[in-house]
Amino acid sequence: AQKITQTQPGMFVQEKEAVTLDCTYDTSDPSYGLFWYKQPSSGEMIFLIYQGSYDQQNATEGRYSLNFQKARKSANLVISASQLGDSAMYFCAMREGQGGGNKLTFGTGTQLKVEL
Amino acid sequence: DTEVTQTPKHLVMGMTNKKSLKCEQHMGHRAMYWYKQKAKKPPELMFVYSYEKLSINESVPSRFSPECPNSSLLNLHLHALQPEDSALYLCACSQRAVGDTGELFFGEGSRLTVL
Repeated sequence: AQKITQTQPGMFVQEKEAVTLDCTYDTSDPSYGLFWYKQPSSGEMIFLIYQGSYDQQNATEGRYSLNFQKARKSANLVISASQLGDSAMYFCAMREGQGGGNKLTFGTGTQLKVEL
Repeated sequence: DTEVTQTPKHLVMGMTNKKSLKCEQHMGHRAMYWYKQKAKKPPELMFVYSYEKLSINESVPSRFSPECPNSSLLNLHLHALQPEDSALYLCACSQRAVGDTGELFFGEGSRLTVL
């Protein structure tokens, strides 16, 4: 079974609009972490935002926010005020267990295109 | 600028060649990773080193041989590769501290083409 599911292979959004990228996950581990990474065409994976399974509040980082619905096992990324530079592939990822040195499993990604 | 440096950025090799990919980090992190990424696909974990010891090997073929000479360096030795091994190889590191989120810091990748 897929541990991380991203159901939107591609998304379009107009500049200055908000966009939501979907991510659902599956784990029986009570301690886990959820990440969103951006990958422009250059290839580098850029960390955007993190949500821990025990965090009470939704994570926010500038224009990025994570809509964490634990009971539904979803961790959607919201990008507000889209910019042309936001055009990239976006990956949702999950770490099971505590801390670093553990496996990070990635979803299949969503290709976002921001249009004028 | 990224604090994880990968060299070379591009590599073309024949199936009988022996080459190495190198990764260096100056973040003081004690976990280092190799991921393989095919075009339009997510990164797939290959190896994890924790405190310079191999802790995870995701059943990678022996033609890929990782090495962690010290806490800052990670190598991936390549020998007798196949054309299907052509991909972007990403190095990453993370802390190994209590309370750490496990966030990975990636390099820009080495794009490998096997002829």
